[in-house]
Parts: sequence; C-alpha cells; structure tokens
Amino acid sequence: GIQVEQSPPDLILQEGANSTLRCNFSDSVNNLQWFHQNPWGQLINLFYIPSGTKQNGRLSATTVATERYSLLYISSSQTTDSGVYFCAVSYSGNTPLVFGKGTRLSVIA
Amino acid sequence: NAGVTQTPKFRVLKTGQSMTLLCAQDMNHEYMYWYRQDPGMGLRLIHYSVGEGTTAKGEVPDGYNVSRLKKQNFLLGLESAAPSQTSVYFCASRTAQKSNQPQHFGDGTRLSIL
Repeated sequence: GIQVEQSPPDLILQEGANSTLRCNFSDSVNNLQWFHQNPWGQLINLFYIPSGTKQNGRLSATTVATERYSLLYISSSQTTDSGVYFCAVSYSGNTPLVFGKGTRLSVIA
Repeated sequence: NAGVTQTPKFRVLKTGQSMTLLCAQDMNHEYMYWYRQDPGMGLRLIHYSVGEGTTAKGEVPDGYNVSRLKKQNFLLGLESAAPSQTSVYFCASRTAQKSNQPQHFGDGTRLSIL
C-alpha cells in the first residue's frame, strides 16, 4: 500500500515565523488532503490538493504529483496554529485515505 | 448543518464489555469510514462503507464489527473490549457524486478500556 512520510516530526516556532511542512508519498495518488488537528483533538480540513497550488489566508499548499510530494506553508505563524498537521493520500477520491504520522507544531509567543 | 456527528464523545469501559459507537452524517454522503488514532500516530482505517448495506475491512479491522443499515448512519461495534482498543475513534464521510471532494470528519470519540 501507499506509504506517507511527513517531515519534520516536530517543529517549534517563534510567533511570526514562517514554516514549511513536507509530505512524501510512495505511489501515484489522485487525492491528497492536509488537516490540522487542534489541541482539542478536532480534525480541520485545510486543503484538498491532489495537484497544483492553493492558498487560504496565511496558509498555502503545493502538490507536485509527478514527484510525489506536497508542501504546506504557514506564514506569520500564530499560537493558534499549534497542533498536529496531517497529510493523507489515496489512489482515488473514493478509496480510503492513508495518513502520515503528522508534524507536531508548537508556536510560542 | 451538523455535518458528521459522533456519539458518544467519551466512554470508559471495562475489559470484556461491549459497546457501539454511532456516526451520523446529514450530507447524503455515500462513503463512510471509521479510523482510530493512537498516540504519536496518524489515523488508521478500521472499516469503511461505500454505500448502504455494504462494508469492507480496512488496515486494522480485528476486534471490530460495523453495520450500515441506513445511508446516514455507520455503526462501529466492539463485542469484547480489550485495553489495546483504547484510542480515539474518528468517523468520516465523503460524497461519491464528484471526484474532487474531501472527506469530512467528526470530532472523535475518546474510548478508554480498563
């Protein structure tokens, strides 16, 4: 099955700093999602991005499907950005997602 | 629009007890999924369903059963709970009508087996 690796596993940032999170996957996929799990455990959909680039406020994501990786950019980080960021992929939209182990982000004031 | 609702939010069981977790979605989605999340790990698929009356095994199905009698509900059962099933359980759903749509997740059920 598909393998998903996320890096770095842990990241500590000063408030206002920028960061890049990476997701590598082992096979061609047609579905990729980024999630933020907040400190209360809720999973928040950030992006559905099987290819290309999308932006939503201070967050943006780029997926290069041919090279099997995706990047999540967080600019001007805030303490509310803290939590765990997950990348999840699947072969197609109707097959189950395979999750990476996540990047734990801590933003300190 | 409630989205995906999981019941209960928290539960403590004794080893050997049984229970059922309920997932309900009001988006008329065809696909529904049950995942478990253990500390330091991503979510792993337990079972899923591509439509009413159908279910399939995921990555970690042992010790669990599921049923999809109604399109809007997906039930996860533990017949004889074990401490190894202590975890946070997430339900998700997705439409089959369009290919470029994300999965939507519930808020999770935190289950402890003593």
